[in-house]
Amino acid sequence: AQSVTQLDSQVPVFEEAPVELRCNYSSSVSVYLFWYVQYPNQGLQLLLKYLSGSTLVESINGFEAEFNKSQTSFHLRKPSVHISDTAEYFCAVRSSTNAGKSTFGDGTTLTVKP
Amino acid sequence: DGGITQSPKYLFRKEGQNVTLSCEQNLNHDAMYWYRQDPGQGLRLIYYSQIVNDFQKGDIAEGYSVSREKKESFPLTVTSAQKNPTAFYLCASSSFGDTQYFGPGTRLTVL
Repeated sequence: AQSVTQLDSQVPVFEEAPVELRCNYSSSVSVYLFWYVQYPNQGLQLLLKYLSGSTLVESINGFEAEFNKSQTSFHLRKPSVHISDTAEYFCAVRSSTNAGKSTFGDGTTLTVKP
Repeated sequence: DGGITQSPKYLFRKEGQNVTLSCEQNLNHDAMYWYRQDPGQGLRLIYYSQIVNDFQKGDIAEGYSVSREKKESFPLTVTSAQKNPTAFYLCASSSFGDTQYFGPGTRLTVL
């Protein structure tokens, strides 16, 4: 069995401030890790993913996440946020041996204030 | 344009009715998935299919049914046995083991 815990349900932050959205997971097998973003009344869009290799992964819009196996974490960070980053963010884990079973966290609502 | 589409965007159902949500993809993906999203909660897996004519139950399959007769299509039927069907439903597809791509969602409301 696998599970995902997003430690903060809401994160308010001022524009141009740094932000960290925290994600911890548990699994008995090796996993792939994902961050998705969801804007109101829309589907989810992939932000970044860790499958293997470098533990630091980056997205094209300035977000990054670091896979920490010893702490079973995959926290999402951005050094300077914009108003347009306001959205809900989901962390997800998938077993590397069963592609059908992804588990999602409950989501973190990021609100960027001017 | 490659992508995944869901219809309708909004759906209203009377109690006791079955309704079917459409999901179509032209990404040539083998795997397709249905999730349910409730306010303040993450996505919960209803059903998934890794190949045509085969599908598996997810974590909350009771009250739902699916079919996978074509690679491109994975319709979800919400039956009258589903006691609390009001939710946002998301369909996704992927190549085996790779990233899931999501449709825009269908919001189902029971009147």
